[in-house]
Amino acid sequence: DTEVTQTPKHLVMGMTNKKSLKCEQHMGHRAMYWYKQKAKKPPELMFVYSYEKLSINESVPSRFSPECPNSSLLNLHLHALQPEDSALYLCASSHLTPDEQFFGPGTRLTVL
Amino acid sequence: QKEVEQNSGPLSVPEGAIASLNCTYSDRGSQSFFWYRQYSGKSPELIMFIYSNGDKEDGRFTAQLNKASQYVSLLIRDSQPSDSATYLCAVSKAGTASKLTFGTGTRLQVTL
Repeated sequence: DTEVTQTPKHLVMGMTNKKSLKCEQHMGHRAMYWYKQKAKKPPELMFVYSYEKLSINESVPSRFSPECPNSSLLNLHLHALQPEDSALYLCASSHLTPDEQFFGPGTRLTVL
Repeated sequence: QKEVEQNSGPLSVPEGAIASLNCTYSDRGSQSFFWYRQYSGKSPELIMFIYSNGDKEDGRFTAQLNKASQYVSLLIRDSQPSDSATYLCAVSKAGTASKLTFGTGTRLQVTL
């Protein structure tokens, strides 16, 4: 299995909702990442997990809460989002070294 | 000065020609260099990575790295219409589960 999967593909939520994005990989990678990508912009790093521990938080607002339950799974819990948080949310994984990152298909999030 | 710079394009090349995509980076501590292809509405796909000065070839793709000049390039030989996409250059510093910094991408159009 050489792919990263993400669910759901699309998500529409209100500003008071709580939702979660899920990412899974079975490549034995021990590093997992969340990125946010706005239209016509490059991906922006949000979080990095290494050996299931949060190693990098790029000063992301607390309405985004990551979780890494095990080495294959990565979640992003969403609460009280704003319309400007609407974007494509990408999960990626890699070995620790070398660190080529492989992206999942993304979740297209719309906040109303 | 942006950390990773690319010409946004569009770069238009005829089918069968060589497409040359360029990228410069500012941090001399950068160790790992990646090229991703991203089709509209899809997630980035890793097509090449390079760690050492010189050329690296994979099929129709050649990545070139010159650390002294802080310059990375991607050559696509025998360009096909299916190569039409945005190409993202990305660099990381530590080479191990670290932050991937992207350029803004170059849009390539291969014309019939």
